[in-house]
Amino acid sequence: NAGVMQNPRHLVRRRGQEARLRCSPMKGHSHVYWYRQLPEEGLKFMVYLQKENIIDESGMPKERFSAEFPKEGPSILRIQQVVRGDSAAYFCASSRPLGQGSGNTIYFGEGSWLTVV
Amino acid sequence: SQQGEEDPQALSIQEGENATMNCSYKTSINNLQWYRQNSGRGLVHLILIRSNEREKHSGRLRVTLDTSKKSSSLLITASRAADTASYFCATDPTFYNTDKLIFGTGTRLQVFP
Repeated sequence: NAGVMQNPRHLVRRRGQEARLRCSPMKGHSHVYWYRQLPEEGLKFMVYLQKENIIDESGMPKERFSAEFPKEGPSILRIQQVVRGDSAAYFCASSRPLGQGSGNTIYFGEGSWLTVV
Repeated sequence: SQQGEEDPQALSIQEGENATMNCSYKTSINNLQWYRQNSGRGLVHLILIRSNEREKHSGRLRVTLDTSKKSSSLLITASRAADTASYFCATDPTFYNTDKLIFGTGTRLQVFP
């Protein structure tokens, strides 16, 4: 049973370009979370999605960032017009559809390291 | 603001010694989880303890939870060099009513052979 798959693992973008990060959840998982980790810091929640539905995007910057989880295919975190401050590790996680604070274990991918030059 | 704060920020010990890391949080929670992260890698789930539990064991790991003090501890017994990693606590606050986790800043553990 494959784990949470993220790609690319490493991505270099010039300032002003777009970055697209993809995440395929574990089999049977329909909830996806995106977190950002700055160097030497903990993970900061960005967005929580179900298929075709954004549940909680309270951690997403208001501009340039968007996320989707279509009916078919992976979840995508899109960062437009990247700036140096966007350089970070972006982690995707997934869980089974038993939310509501039920205590599901959330499984993380290996992360996508974005470097903006 | 951060829901979880780990203490200490960094810890260095010799192989065979025990390592204790603490986590404090601010609001009521459904559960608390501990994760490990090796440098440049993703997070590995270690253990989940629910708000109605006080202690939980898994191999060399022992986790305690004190909801009255809003704190948890992770004890790694008989540490090994391979335990070198960052350890994060993550809480599932009750007011979110989802499985969204709020992470602390982590404890960087170094175990010397």
